[in-house]
Amino acid sequence: GQNIDQPTEMTATEGAIVQINCTYQTSGFNGLFWYQQHAGEAPTFLSYNVLDGLEEKGRFSSFLSRSKGYSYLLLKELQMKDSASYLCAVKVFSGGYNKLIFGAGTRLAVHP
Amino acid sequence: GAGVSQSPSNKVTEKGKDVELRCDPISGHTALYWYRQSLGQGLEFLIYFQGNSAPDKSGLPSDRFSAERTGGSVSTLTIQRTQQEDSAVYLCASSFDHLVRGISYEQYFGPGTRLTVT
Repeated sequence: GQNIDQPTEMTATEGAIVQINCTYQTSGFNGLFWYQQHAGEAPTFLSYNVLDGLEEKGRFSSFLSRSKGYSYLLLKELQMKDSASYLCAVKVFSGGYNKLIFGAGTRLAVHP
Repeated sequence: GAGVSQSPSNKVTEKGKDVELRCDPISGHTALYWYRQSLGQGLEFLIYFQGNSAPDKSGLPSDRFSAERTGGSVSTLTIQRTQQEDSAVYLCASSFDHLVRGISYEQYFGPGTRLTVT
């Protein structure tokens, strides 16, 4: 079956750095997405990794190790507005098309 | 440059009634997805459309759930004889092209419809 694990909740201090981990066991892996979702709002795209390594985009970076089935999202210089849920989603190619499998999300609370 | 829109934003219905949820994807997006998100949970895949056809309906929870898409654009998710466990936020997403392997066509999400079955 398909399985994606990420911590349920995390807390961090404004200005600090936080790393949100995601491990997956899927078949037909074809890339990994991170989405941000503020309470009551739609998920918005943050990053995409298909090859091993680190992708940096401003304060956010995402890392992938396909051999370990592992990814993390790194948030630097945390701001209060970064308080949100962060969803890890694996793209699998199955039956002739791509499909996203989502983890349950990590709720991040940033405090002063 | 409108994004994905959904209507209604909120729907309260009585148990046993039928409901229709609508999704207008981004113009030109060929792929459309429906997800369900229960409180504090991740996104549960329901159904995927490529054009007007649905190659994957595997996520639909029961035969009370159905969906269609017309003109390669608007989609409607219908839930018949609603039950309390159907209460959730129903999210629609679209992307440009779902068939090309290895290309990062991210999905753009609508604001969702919050369904409450009383």
